[in-house]
Amino acid sequence: KQEVTQIPAALSVPEGENLVLNCSFTDSAIYNLQWFRQDPGKGLTSLLLIQSSQREQTSGRLNASLDKSSGRSTLYIAASQPGDSATYLCAVVASNYQLIWGAGTKLIIKP
Amino acid sequence: KAGVTQTPRYLIKTRGQQVTLSCSPISGHRSVSWYQQTPGQGLQFLFEYFSETQRNKGNFPGRFSGRQFSNSRSEMNVSTLELGDSALYLCASSLLTSGRAEDTQYFGPGTRLTVL
Repeated sequence: KQEVTQIPAALSVPEGENLVLNCSFTDSAIYNLQWFRQDPGKGLTSLLLIQSSQREQTSGRLNASLDKSSGRSTLYIAASQPGDSATYLCAVVASNYQLIWGAGTKLIIKP
Repeated sequence: KAGVTQTPRYLIKTRGQQVTLSCSPISGHRSVSWYQQTPGQGLQFLFEYFSETQRNKGNFPGRFSGRQFSNSRSEMNVSTLELGDSALYLCASSLLTSGRAEDTQYFGPGTRLTVL
């Protein structure tokens, strides 16, 4: 059974810092891995999608990597801003085509 | 393009009642998925519909059901509500032109269901 774990559960850093969020999964048989952010009352926004054959994806200040063999992904946020404050969720499309979610990392960027 | 819309945004029901939630996908998107989010269990997949057919189903009891209409709009129904059904119900749509695994899902704001 696929399980997704995110560490840390919460993170508070001063504005301007670079930071890394971690995601791990137990079964390497995935189709893709996705990172989302969730803002209170606004649902989920897709940030990056990495296909199983890819190693990384970049969008602006965000960079996500994928290491299937070790069951790990990282989301790197450069030059963090207060607007980056949100809960970040990692999810994998498992072999049964279902999205399996991590519990999320709550990120607070202090001005 | 308008995003995914869900109605109603908030709902309060009592145990034993039933509820229907609605989701309108982004225009042109043919796949609609439903998720339940609770503080204890996090996000869990309920089911996915594509061209009016349920293509995938999560591990939820039969009280949870859904359907999709010819215009891709989808509804989910929960019968005989229990206190544990209190959750944020999220709907997501995707294009699914080239394959299930390649398409980004776009989420609606969710329906907050409270069961008293």
